[in-house]
Amino acid sequence: AQSVAQPEDQVNVAEGNPLTVKCTYSVSGNPYLFWYVQYPNRGLQFLLKYITGDNLVKGSYGFEAEFNKSQTSFHLKKPSALVSDSALYFCAVREWAGSYQLTFGKGTKLSVIP
Amino acid sequence: EAEVAQSPRYKITEKSQAVAFWCDPISGHATLYWYRQILGQGPELLVQFQDESVVDDSQLPKDRFSAERLKGVDSTLKIQPAELGDSAMYLCASSLSGDGYGYTFGSGTRLTVV
Repeated sequence: AQSVAQPEDQVNVAEGNPLTVKCTYSVSGNPYLFWYVQYPNRGLQFLLKYITGDNLVKGSYGFEAEFNKSQTSFHLKKPSALVSDSALYFCAVREWAGSYQLTFGKGTKLSVIP
Repeated sequence: EAEVAQSPRYKITEKSQAVAFWCDPISGHATLYWYRQILGQGPELLVQFQDESVVDDSQLPKDRFSAERLKGVDSTLKIQPAELGDSAMYLCASSLSGDGYGYTFGSGTRLTVV
């Protein structure tokens, strides 16, 4: 089973509307969870992470994510989408495989429609 | 802001030729990662270095891929011979320690094998 899953290949949202990009995980213990964003032909940029503490994590560019242990989810949210938010979003989880590594989901393409 | 440098940004090579990618991590970052990202998928770890030592290369196709980080600073990833299926984005990332978070990614090398 995948350690982290992003069930939606694409999410479309109108500019100004709230957006949610979904992520679920399946690792044992206390997960370390991350969101990254990728613009065309660029590397991944860190948005936010959950290590411990408050279940609502705030990150860069107005994004936030909610950790839900009972639902094993870590959905990315933003109250009001901008056209410039259009990009690929990746959820990742830290795993131990002889060393600590990040395992990424397959990504969700977010399109914000003007 | 410190960056992970990668070169070249784009590379087109013919099948069966050799190709090499270079990565210079953030100064002082002991851990370096090479990821491969096939179009439409999330990044997959190829090799992880701690200083000059390989920590994990279990997903590296060793019949054709090699990676080195001789002085524990910059790193080179080589493919010989290249195959059509190697067309992908090759991403380098570094972190201060091998604790599995705090990655900084480079902009990547887009490889096209024709």
